[in-house]
Amino acid sequence: GENVEQHPSTLSVQEGDSAVIKCTYSDSASNYFPWYKQELGKGPQLIIDIRSNVGEKKDQRIAVTLNKTAKHFSLHITETQPEDSAVYFCAAKTGTDSWGKLQFGAGTQVVVTP
Amino acid sequence: EAGVTQFPSHSVIEKGQTVTLRCDPISGHDNLYWYRRVMGKEIKFLLHFVKESKQDESGMPNNRFLAERTGGTYSTLKVQPAELEDSGVYFCASSQAEKLFFGSGTQLSVL
Repeated sequence: GENVEQHPSTLSVQEGDSAVIKCTYSDSASNYFPWYKQELGKGPQLIIDIRSNVGEKKDQRIAVTLNKTAKHFSLHITETQPEDSAVYFCAAKTGTDSWGKLQFGAGTQVVVTP
Repeated sequence: EAGVTQFPSHSVIEKGQTVTLRCDPISGHDNLYWYRRVMGKEIKFLLHFVKESKQDESGMPNNRFLAERTGGTYSTLKVQPAELEDSGVYFCASSQAEKLFFGSGTQLSVL
């Protein structure tokens, strides 16, 4: 089955700096890669996703890149703000699974210090 | 629009007891999923309902876990009898397509 590794487990950045979280996956048949943000006391919320036929996607200050050959994908947050502090999860879905059957990484605790 | 609602938000029980978690999905969402996060590890898939039918229950740990979705609306997840290793946060999510909407989760502590 699919296995997703996520690094780093914790990330501390100064406000205004960039943050990068990296994930690798094992199943070359994976075709959908969402990123979720979990704030304290809340459930994970989808912030951006990318499909296997796209190499990069951007939405304001966040962007995701996908390298299918190397089987890794990354989340980039620019101009970080205190409200970006949260746990971020990457995930992957294989081609034969339903949209909601995701394999998640272990999460990255991001702390943005003013 | 109301989001995915889970109840209770916290539950503390003793080993051997029974606990039932409830999830109310977003109205109109046919797909309902249960996930679990144990001790800061990855969020793991448990099962998937399409309306009232179990589409995929390959992630259910063992037969102490029973999920139902009678009528295709809300769902319950019962753990009986609970063991120490069942502690964790149980998330419910619903969707109509690829975007999942998660509830806030139930923090289950088995002592």
